[in-house]
Amino acid sequence: AQTVTQSQPEMSVQEAETVTLSCTYDTSENNYYLFWYKQPPSRQMILVIRQEAYKQQNATENRFSVNFQKAAKSFSLKISDSQLGDTAMYFCAFMKAGTASKLTFGTGTRLQVTL
Amino acid sequence: NAGVTQTPKFQVLKTGQSMTLQCAQDMNHNSMYWYRQDPGMGLRLIYYSASEGTTDKGEVPNGYNVSRLNKREFSLRLESAAPSQTSVYFCASSEGNRGAWSTDTQYFGPGTRLTVL
Repeated sequence: AQTVTQSQPEMSVQEAETVTLSCTYDTSENNYYLFWYKQPPSRQMILVIRQEAYKQQNATENRFSVNFQKAAKSFSLKISDSQLGDTAMYFCAFMKAGTASKLTFGTGTRLQVTL
Repeated sequence: NAGVTQTPKFQVLKTGQSMTLQCAQDMNHNSMYWYRQDPGMGLRLIYYSASEGTTDKGEVPNGYNVSRLNKREFSLRLESAAPSQTSVYFCASSEGNRGAWSTDTQYFGPGTRLTVL
């Protein structure tokens, strides 16, 4: 079974600064995907970024980027130029490749962006 | 496109009552999922349906049943609600059947907040 660990329950960052959220995972699989989802106060789960394990290049989406270290089983999220709208819970998630695409989530990191 | 929709948004039940949570998607996705979210925990998979006509248990299936009514709709039923089932329930869908080398991203509905007294 896979496990996903987010060791930072809460973090705070000032507007326009950069913050990195940590995520580690444990798996014996070689082919898998990793995701970061954002959950603002509205409760909606929003996909932020995804990474295929077979790709060495780190994924980027505008101000969001990841540092994927496959050997270390680490998948951190960097948010650059933080904005007030980035305030949310952030969940790291793991998916084994295949047709039954089940997600395993971490416990989340609550990010507060302040003025 | 509405994406994934869930009804109701809020529900309060008494212990022992039954109810069905409805989920529908308009993205022509093959796979659908039900998760629950409890305080201090990530989402946990209750049941999923890899394709129309199939359903399988997830991590926490006890006390729930599901029906994949058609390709669009996937319902979750609580036959006899218990206080331990107080939670926020999320439905999600994905294309599915994409093979080992394609990312299968899940898209989530807005959630249903259920309280069992």
